[in-house]
Amino acid sequence: SSELTQDPAVSVALGQTVRITCQGDSLRSYYASWYQQKPGQAPVVVIYGKNNRPSGIPDRFSGSSSGNTASLTITGAQAEDEADYYCNSRDNSGNQFLWVFGGGTKLTVL
Amino acid sequence: QVTLRESGPALVKPTQTLTLTCTFSGFSLSSSGMCVSWIRQPPGKALEWLALIDWDDDKYYTTSLKTRLTISKDTSKNQVVLTMTNMDPVDTATYYCARILNWNVFDYWGQGTLVTVSS
Repeated sequence: SSELTQDPAVSVALGQTVRITCQGDSLRSYYASWYQQKPGQAPVVVIYGKNNRPSGIPDRFSGSSSGNTASLTITGAQAEDEADYYCNSRDNSGNQFLWVFGGGTKLTVL
Repeated sequence: QVTLRESGPALVKPTQTLTLTCTFSGFSLSSSGMCVSWIRQPPGKALEWLALIDWDDDKYYTTSLKTRLTISKDTSKNQVVLTMTNMDPVDTATYYCARILNWNVFDYWGQGTLVTVSS
């Protein structure tokens, strides 16, 4: 099955811009989705598809993709953005109906 | 309003079979493009995709656990059931169910249920 690789931890100063990346062969075929998870809570989707934000997600969250890398950018990070972020996509290693999650990135807002 | 809720035992013994139920509302699993999936997360670790069932009753499982998992649906009850056989302490995790819309995004999640495997 495919694998998605994320940096374990990233930090950003309050109000600055941060990019969280996700790498994997499946991203050459499928868009990544991005999920925010705060302690003790279920994940919440923040970006999906080419660059779609669900209703209620602030426009400081955006997504992009190039080759085998997907990126989640937070422009003007806020204290409430401190969380774990996971990417996922469909699997392209043999069965396109399977899914895979990245290992997650812990975002610290300084 | 779409909601999903997981239910099942909080504690199972090693070698036992785990049965979890996802009860949902606000959508129909018989509608084209709808899927319900199970995902788990061991304490302090990453999310792991487990299985999904789609509107056409097609079922898919993560390769590493395929022999232990069974997913099924009861459309009339708006429920999806996951069974996992031969439970082991490493299977201790919070188990989530989520809706997948149009094979595109896990757009709604349940709150999760913690399952501990211990004798």
